[in-house]
Amino acid sequence: NAGVTQTPKFRILKIGQSMTLQCAQDMNHNYMYWYRQDPGMGLKLIYYSVGAGITDKGEVPNGYNVSRSTTEDFPLRLELAAPSQTSVYFCASTEGAGNQPQHFGDGTRLSIL
Amino acid sequence: GQNIDQPTEMTATEGAIVQINCTYQTSGFNGLFWYQQHAGEAPTFLSYNVLDGLEEKGRFSSFLSRSKGYSYLLLKELQMKDSASYLCAVRDRGEYGNKLVFGAGTILRVKS
Repeated sequence: NAGVTQTPKFRILKIGQSMTLQCAQDMNHNYMYWYRQDPGMGLKLIYYSVGAGITDKGEVPNGYNVSRSTTEDFPLRLELAAPSQTSVYFCASTEGAGNQPQHFGDGTRLSIL
Repeated sequence: GQNIDQPTEMTATEGAIVQINCTYQTSGFNGLFWYQQHAGEAPTFLSYNVLDGLEEKGRFSSFLSRSKGYSYLLLKELQMKDSASYLCAVRDRGEYGNKLVFGAGTILRVKS
């Protein structure tokens, strides 16, 4: 049982490039989330999903896209990377909407130069 | 909208007790979480409150007052390893499903 797995762990992109951050969980959780965390700041919700085929915007969705074709996977797509997207990205999942805590992946550290 | 406030930094001495406060404003409150995050690592779950009162888990306790929009995390018998950022997060009812909104976190420094 690996929990929440994020790949890659580190990445450097050039301005204007695109990439997909991968997130997979093996706990059969319905709820999945993408956050970004800038230095010295809390986590900002980018997108979330309550199940396969259902996604919704969070606080800071601009510049990102997501899809949820399976329960296990919740990839985050960056199109036309900008320096403002330099951040640490965390994926999380939870079983339901009650008192279950979110399980976090180890994060992807992304730099855009 | 949502607004969550925590002190930016706190310093305490090893063996002491420290209280980290969190105030929040949200339209659809559905529970409050505390997470611990060491530098360069992912957040880890500490506690959850949805009803008013105190929840105790070993050296950590968390309190909630829904009418005041207020919570605190109490850490007892502080250890050096407790130096970390502590994040207050409120579960807010969204259009469908619930989402977690995080405060900016409180950096706790434990000194010997």
